[in-house]
Amino acid sequence: GQQVMQIPQYQHVQEGEDFTTYCNSSTTLSNIQWYKQRPGGHPVFLIQLVKSGEVKKQKRLTFQFGEAKKNSSLHITATQTTDVGTYFCAGPFGNEKLTFGTGTRLTIIP
Amino acid sequence: DSGVTQTPKHLITATGQRVTLRCSPRSGDLSVYWYQQSLDQGLQFLIQYYNGEERAKGNILERFSAQQFPDLHSELNLSSLELGDSALYFCASSGGQGADTEAFFGQGTRLTVV
Repeated sequence: GQQVMQIPQYQHVQEGEDFTTYCNSSTTLSNIQWYKQRPGGHPVFLIQLVKSGEVKKQKRLTFQFGEAKKNSSLHITATQTTDVGTYFCAGPFGNEKLTFGTGTRLTIIP
Repeated sequence: DSGVTQTPKHLITATGQRVTLRCSPRSGDLSVYWYQQSLDQGLQFLIQYYNGEERAKGNILERFSAQQFPDLHSELNLSSLELGDSALYFCASSGGQGADTEAFFGQGTRLTVV
């Protein structure tokens, strides 16, 4: 099935370091969503971005939507052990279905 | 608690068998999505229903089928099961009909085919 690449696929960081994951689409998106899935859990909605160049913050998390609405990033400042999990972007990539990216798995080294 | 209920939580069955997974969406949500997540893999879109009608289809196998009932709950039927069908199956619901509203996921059904 259609998948959207996220990079990196895996990221191991020392607790307190920053983390960034990127999501790229070949087509312009009407919106992009971000989800977090804890180990053994289910995906949980974090945020939705709609406007070109939009930046939204949730505490230590910063979400960005590219000017061309084809890419997005999630940046976590000063990671904590509670940030462990897989982060997915999702959106209507090339179609109207809610398609998920391949995800970035974040592990924290205490 | 997302408000989306999936049953059963775990299912172990033999190859060649047929199973039914059930999903009750959040109160008021008209859209139901089904996703398959294999071990350490991403979320593969299977199918979406909106208010009882099929809205979008992913690469769902012909051995798989789904429906959404008048009370909006949905069932995913998997038949002639193969070992490779072992996976987590998630149901999600949303208030909208397109990919423009947030989706709420259930806890998933872990299917093991032996």
